[in-house]
Amino acid sequence: GAGVSQSPRYKVAKRGQDVALRCDPISGHVSLFWYQQALGQGPEFLTYFQNEAQLDKSGLPSDRFFAERPEGSVSTLKIQRTQQEDSAVYLCASSLGTRPQTYEQYFGPGTRLTVT
Amino acid sequence: AQRVTQPEKLLSVFKGAPVELKCNYSYSGSPELFWYVQYSRQRLQLLLRHISRESIKGFTADLNKGETSFHLKKPFAQEEDSAMYYCALKGTSGTYKYIFGTGTRLKVLA
Repeated sequence: GAGVSQSPRYKVAKRGQDVALRCDPISGHVSLFWYQQALGQGPEFLTYFQNEAQLDKSGLPSDRFFAERPEGSVSTLKIQRTQQEDSAVYLCASSLGTRPQTYEQYFGPGTRLTVT
Repeated sequence: AQRVTQPEKLLSVFKGAPVELKCNYSYSGSPELFWYVQYSRQRLQLLLRHISRESIKGFTADLNKGETSFHLKKPFAQEEDSAMYYCALKGTSGTYKYIFGTGTRLKVLA
């Protein structure tokens, strides 16, 4: 079936605006990750969900960042009062299980956020 | 501090030449190591993981705990290997966080 999808693919926001980025994981995938990838850098972990439970949010850079996965499928990453340093590609990944040695992460195409 | 270092931003080799993409890590414990690849206009995808000890598309990587390295190797590079390669680490004790390196762009020249 379809892989991980993300929307919108591109988002331009004025500084101070709120944005919401959506991730549709592969159906039945338990684990869901959000990453932030700045230009020229590798993906940086933001947060992890196991079903609807947010088990790790240690990578969220500030309290302006908030993620949810209320029914254990679709997830939304919300950024309030966007700043220029939030400009990046936001990647979502899902995996069938919880053990990385057994279940690989499948990545979405990313949402490129530009804050002007 | 937990860290993954990929010292080369760009690596250019000729087709048929051996390739080694370097990855060093810093982690207090026993991490799991991975290589991810992103081909042009495609998504990031898993290439291989150390625990599987597998060879994928002719690539292998051996975890060297003494040198804290996980270099990716291929004896004969192909043009289709041109891509961005990321080394990643995940801790094994109660953490879900993956740490990625900054990536190495491999260009295989004809």
